[in-house]
Amino acid sequence: DAGVTQSPTHLIKTRGQQVTLRCSPISGHKSVSWYQQVLGQGPQFIFQYYEKEERGRGNFPDRFSARQFPNYSSELNVNALLLGDSALYLCASSLGGGESTQYFGPGTRLTVL
Amino acid sequence: GNSVTQMEGPVTLSEEAFLTINCTYTATGYPSLFWYVQYPGEGLQLLLKATKADDKGSNKGFEATYRKETTSFHLEKGSVQVSDSAVYFCALRKDSNYQLIWGAGTKLIIKP
Repeated sequence: DAGVTQSPTHLIKTRGQQVTLRCSPISGHKSVSWYQQVLGQGPQFIFQYYEKEERGRGNFPDRFSARQFPNYSSELNVNALLLGDSALYLCASSLGGGESTQYFGPGTRLTVL
Repeated sequence: GNSVTQMEGPVTLSEEAFLTINCTYTATGYPSLFWYVQYPGEGLQLLLKATKADDKGSNKGFEATYRKETTSFHLEKGSVQVSDSAVYFCALRKDSNYQLIWGAGTKLIIKP
Protein backbone atom coordinates (compact mmCIF):
# COMPACT_ATOMS: atom_id res chain seq x y z
CA ASP A 1 0.00 0.00 0.00
CA ALA A 2 1.13 3.52 -0.73
CA GLY A 3 2.17 5.63 2.21
CA VAL A 4 1.43 9.29 2.75
CA THR A 5 2.37 11.30 -0.34
CA GLN A 6 3.13 15.00 -0.54
CA SER A 7 3.68 17.37 -3.39
CA PRO A 8 5.73 19.13 -4.43
CA THR A 9 8.98 17.81 -2.97
CA HIS A 10 10.73 21.14 -3.10
CA LEU A 11 9.50 24.66 -3.63
CA ILE A 12 11.18 28.03 -3.88
CA LYS A 13 9.16 31.20 -3.41
CA THR A 14 9.85 34.86 -2.74
CA ARG A 15 8.60 36.95 0.14
CA GLY A 16 4.99 38.00 -0.18
CA GLN A 17 4.00 35.16 -2.45
CA GLN A 18 1.44 32.47 -1.69
CA VAL A 19 2.01 28.71 -1.68
CA THR A 20 -0.19 25.59 -1.67
CA LEU A 21 1.11 22.26 -0.44
CA ARG A 22 -0.74 19.00 -1.03
CA CYS A 23 -1.06 15.75 0.88
CA SER A 24 -2.69 12.41 0.15
CA PRO A 25 -3.23 10.19 3.19
CA ILE A 26 -2.90 6.45 3.45
CA SER A 27 -5.95 4.71 2.01
CA GLY A 28 -8.60 4.37 4.69
CA HIS A 29 -7.21 7.15 6.87
CA LYS A 30 -9.65 9.97 7.59
CA SER A 31 -7.46 12.36 9.53
CA VAL A 32 -4.65 14.57 8.27
CA SER A 33 -2.31 16.70 10.35
CA TRP A 34 0.17 19.34 9.20
CA TYR A 35 3.46 20.16 10.94
CA GLN A 36 6.23 22.67 10.30
CA GLN A 37 9.80 21.51 10.94
CA VAL A 38 12.46 24.18 10.99
CA LEU A 39 15.98 22.90 10.45
CA GLY A 40 17.44 21.49 13.66
CA GLN A 41 14.16 21.52 15.58
CA GLY A 42 11.26 19.21 16.23
CA PRO A 43 8.04 19.56 14.26
CA GLN A 44 5.47 22.15 15.33
CA PHE A 45 1.77 21.37 14.98
CA ILE A 46 -0.15 23.56 12.53
CA PHE A 47 -3.55 21.91 11.85
CA GLN A 48 -5.44 18.68 12.16
CA TYR A 49 -8.48 17.76 10.05
CA TYR A 50 -10.83 14.86 10.52
CA GLU A 51 -13.72 14.09 8.22
CA LYS A 52 -13.21 17.49 6.53
CA GLU A 53 -13.59 19.40 9.80
CA GLU A 54 -10.80 21.27 11.56
CA ARG A 55 -10.11 19.45 14.79
CA GLY A 56 -7.18 21.43 16.07
CA ARG A 57 -5.01 24.41 15.28
CA GLY A 58 -1.55 25.26 16.56
CA ASN A 59 -0.05 28.64 17.33
CA PHE A 60 0.35 29.87 13.76
CA PRO A 61 -0.87 33.15 12.23
CA ASP A 62 -3.96 33.44 10.05
CA ARG A 63 -1.72 33.44 7.00
CA PHE A 64 -1.77 29.67 7.38
CA SER A 65 -4.94 27.87 6.32
CA ALA A 66 -5.87 24.36 5.32
CA ARG A 67 -8.72 22.25 4.13
CA GLN A 68 -9.58 18.59 3.67
CA PHE A 69 -11.45 17.24 0.68
CA PRO A 70 -14.10 14.49 0.46
CA ASN A 71 -11.42 11.99 -0.57
CA TYR A 72 -9.54 12.96 2.65
CA SER A 73 -6.64 14.59 0.83
CA SER A 74 -5.61 17.96 2.15
CA GLU A 75 -4.05 21.26 1.17
CA LEU A 76 -2.06 23.67 3.29
CA ASN A 77 -2.01 27.29 2.12
CA VAL A 78 0.37 29.95 3.29
CA ASN A 79 -0.17 33.57 2.24
CA ALA A 80 2.19 36.54 2.32
CA LEU A 81 5.26 34.35 2.76
CA LEU A 82 7.99 35.45 5.13
CA LEU A 83 11.62 34.34 5.23
CA GLY A 84 10.82 32.57 8.50
CA ASP A 85 8.33 30.31 6.75
CA SER A 86 11.24 28.43 5.20
CA ALA A 87 10.95 24.91 6.59
CA LEU A 88 10.04 21.31 5.91
CA TYR A 89 6.25 20.93 5.94
CA LEU A 90 5.13 17.52 7.03
CA CYS A 91 1.79 15.86 6.54
CA ALA A 92 0.71 12.95 8.71
CA SER A 93 -2.33 10.73 8.32
CA SER A 94 -4.11 8.56 10.83
CA LEU A 95 -7.27 6.53 11.08
CA GLY A 96 -8.76 9.25 13.24
CA GLY A 97 -9.56 7.54 16.48
CA GLY A 98 -8.29 8.66 19.84
CA GLU A 99 -5.33 6.28 19.84
CA SER A 100 -4.52 6.51 16.14
CA THR A 101 -0.86 6.49 15.26
CA GLN A 102 0.24 9.22 12.86
CA TYR A 103 2.17 8.20 9.75
CA PHE A 104 4.26 10.86 8.06
CA GLY A 105 4.93 11.74 4.47
CA PRO A 106 8.39 12.74 3.20
CA GLY A 107 7.57 16.43 3.47
CA THR A 108 7.74 19.46 1.22
CA ARG A 109 10.85 21.62 1.56
CA LEU A 110 9.81 25.26 1.22
CA THR A 111 12.47 27.91 0.73
CA VAL A 112 11.44 31.56 0.87
CA LEU A 113 13.92 34.02 -0.63
CA GLY B 1 1.86 23.39 29.36
CA ASN B 2 2.83 20.14 27.71
CA SER B 3 6.44 19.75 26.64
CA VAL B 4 9.13 17.22 25.80
CA THR B 5 12.82 17.55 26.58
CA GLN B 6 15.48 15.39 24.94
CA MET B 7 19.19 15.15 25.51
CA GLU B 8 21.16 17.32 23.17
CA GLY B 9 23.14 15.78 20.39
CA PRO B 10 24.98 14.76 18.53
CA VAL B 11 25.54 11.48 20.30
CA THR B 12 28.51 9.66 18.80
CA LEU B 13 29.06 5.97 19.53
CA SER B 14 31.05 3.11 18.14
CA GLU B 15 29.31 0.17 16.52
CA GLU B 16 27.98 -2.40 19.04
CA ALA B 17 27.93 0.15 21.87
CA PHE B 18 24.97 0.52 24.24
CA LEU B 19 22.68 3.44 23.47
CA THR B 20 20.56 5.58 25.75
CA ILE B 21 18.79 8.73 24.58
CA ASN B 22 17.04 10.50 27.42
CA CYS B 23 13.53 11.91 27.10
CA THR B 24 11.45 13.55 29.82
CA TYR B 25 8.07 15.12 29.52
CA THR B 26 5.72 17.54 31.22
CA ALA B 27 2.01 16.89 30.90
CA THR B 28 -1.09 16.58 33.00
CA GLY B 29 -2.91 13.29 32.98
CA TYR B 30 -1.72 10.30 31.02
CA PRO B 31 -0.26 11.12 27.63
CA SER B 32 0.78 8.56 25.03
CA LEU B 33 4.50 8.61 24.30
CA PHE B 34 6.32 8.00 21.04
CA TRP B 35 9.77 7.70 19.51
CA TYR B 36 10.09 8.63 15.85
CA VAL B 37 13.23 8.30 13.73
CA GLN B 38 14.28 10.39 10.76
CA TYR B 39 16.96 8.82 8.56
CA PRO B 40 18.99 11.14 6.33
CA GLY B 41 16.87 12.36 3.43
CA GLU B 42 13.76 10.52 4.61
CA GLY B 43 10.54 11.31 6.44
CA LEU B 44 9.64 10.61 10.05
CA GLN B 45 9.00 6.98 10.88
CA LEU B 46 7.31 5.69 14.01
CA LEU B 47 9.86 3.62 15.93
CA LEU B 48 7.87 2.63 19.01
CA LYS B 49 5.15 3.85 21.35
CA ALA B 50 3.62 3.33 24.78
CA THR B 51 0.17 4.40 25.81
CA LYS B 52 0.12 3.90 29.59
CA ALA B 53 2.44 3.84 32.57
CA ASP B 54 4.89 0.91 32.77
CA ASP B 55 4.23 -0.06 29.15
CA LYS B 56 7.35 -0.96 27.19
CA GLY B 57 7.49 -0.16 23.51
CA SER B 58 9.96 -2.09 21.36
CA ASN B 59 10.96 -2.34 17.72
CA LYS B 60 14.12 -3.17 15.74
CA GLY B 61 16.06 -3.82 18.96
CA PHE B 62 15.09 -0.45 20.46
CA GLU B 63 13.13 -0.25 23.72
CA ALA B 64 11.57 2.47 25.84
CA THR B 65 9.57 2.17 29.06
CA TYR B 66 6.89 4.68 30.07
CA ARG B 67 7.90 5.78 33.60
CA LYS B 68 5.23 7.99 35.11
CA GLU B 69 7.04 8.41 38.42
CA THR B 70 10.02 10.01 36.67
CA THR B 71 8.02 11.35 33.67
CA SER B 72 10.53 9.71 31.36
CA PHE B 73 10.59 7.60 28.20
CA HIS B 74 14.28 6.92 27.56
CA LEU B 75 15.24 5.13 24.35
CA GLU B 76 17.70 2.23 24.64
CA LYS B 77 19.39 -0.27 22.37
CA GLY B 78 21.86 -2.88 23.44
CA SER B 79 24.11 -2.90 20.38
CA VAL B 80 23.92 -0.13 17.80
CA GLN B 81 24.79 -0.42 14.13
CA VAL B 82 26.02 2.13 11.61
CA SER B 83 22.60 1.95 10.00
CA ASP B 84 21.04 3.34 13.20
CA SER B 85 22.59 6.73 12.45
CA ALA B 86 19.65 9.14 12.27
CA VAL B 87 17.81 11.81 14.21
CA TYR B 88 15.55 10.48 16.96
CA PHE B 89 12.50 12.43 18.18
CA CYS B 90 10.54 11.87 21.37
CA ALA B 91 6.91 13.02 21.29
CA LEU B 92 3.77 12.97 23.39
CA ARG B 93 0.06 13.11 22.65
CA LYS B 94 -2.62 14.01 25.13
CA ASP B 95 -5.83 12.05 25.00
CA SER B 96 -7.92 15.18 24.77
CA ASN B 97 -5.85 16.73 22.02
CA TYR B 98 -4.70 14.75 19.07
CA GLN B 99 -1.67 16.83 18.17
CA LEU B 100 1.84 15.51 18.77
CA ILE B 101 4.18 17.60 20.88
CA TRP B 102 7.81 17.03 20.01
CA GLY B 103 11.24 17.23 21.50
CA ALA B 104 14.00 18.97 19.55
CA GLY B 105 15.50 15.70 18.32
CA THR B 106 18.79 13.95 19.06
CA LYS B 107 21.21 13.23 16.26
CA LEU B 108 22.89 9.83 16.61
CA ILE B 109 26.13 9.07 14.80
CA ILE B 110 27.45 5.51 14.84
CA LYS B 111 31.05 5.00 13.74
CA PRO B 112 32.27 1.64 12.42
